[in-house]
Amino acid sequence: ETGVTQTPRHLVMGMTNKKSLKCEQHLGHNAMYWYKQSAKKPLELMFVYNFKEQTENNSVPSRFSPECPNSSHLFLHLHTLQPEDSALYLCASSQELAGRRLSSGNTIYFGEGSWLTVV
Amino acid sequence: GQQLNQSPQSMFIQEGEDVSMNCTSSSIFNTWLWYKQDPGEGPVLLIALYKAGELTSNGRLTAQFGITRKDSFLNISASIPSDVGIYFCAGPNNYGQNFVFGPGTRLSVLP
Repeated sequence: ETGVTQTPRHLVMGMTNKKSLKCEQHLGHNAMYWYKQSAKKPLELMFVYNFKEQTENNSVPSRFSPECPNSSHLFLHLHTLQPEDSALYLCASSQELAGRRLSSGNTIYFGEGSWLTVV
Repeated sequence: GQQLNQSPQSMFIQEGEDVSMNCTSSSIFNTWLWYKQDPGEGPVLLIALYKAGELTSNGRLTAQFGITRKDSFLNISASIPSDVGIYFCAGPNNYGQNFVFGPGTRLSVLP
């Protein structure tokens, strides 16, 4: 139990469907992230939010639409995806953005991931 | 931008053996983080290092923050089958908002 919960754990969707991934953190953190991890590829940062404001969009296609209603919740809305979008999507949170030095240290914690298959 | 390199990329060891892997960068990091990822799961934090020279243990795992602040290593003693997975090092990007991750070391433990 890392304090970051993702749902659903597994999702199969057609290319014309609209679905959403949900992430909730119970750590009182201010920053939240979405990462994509494809098979045998490095972690790929998608979005960064700080105090529910988007601070980074790593050139992600518009078919991925993030939403952060508050510091504890983060969504990734999916529509008209492609088969190559099939991957493990990881949500993460940290006390502050990475560039902030904290006396207690700044660490990033991940959820268990949502396996997405686009058919 | 800052990058992390990990070696080896993969390793096969016998159960009971000790394992050593390292992480290097051309730039300084103020924090070193080590994670383990099981297949189909999210990375789980193993050890966090916040001070140059720091040596920290977590059970059979030991990690050190290099004096130069440009490297870190992770040791696993007396490996067991459940040690199988991918081990990532990471650190906060000093010039940006995200965390930088290494490409990972894939560990296989043979019975």
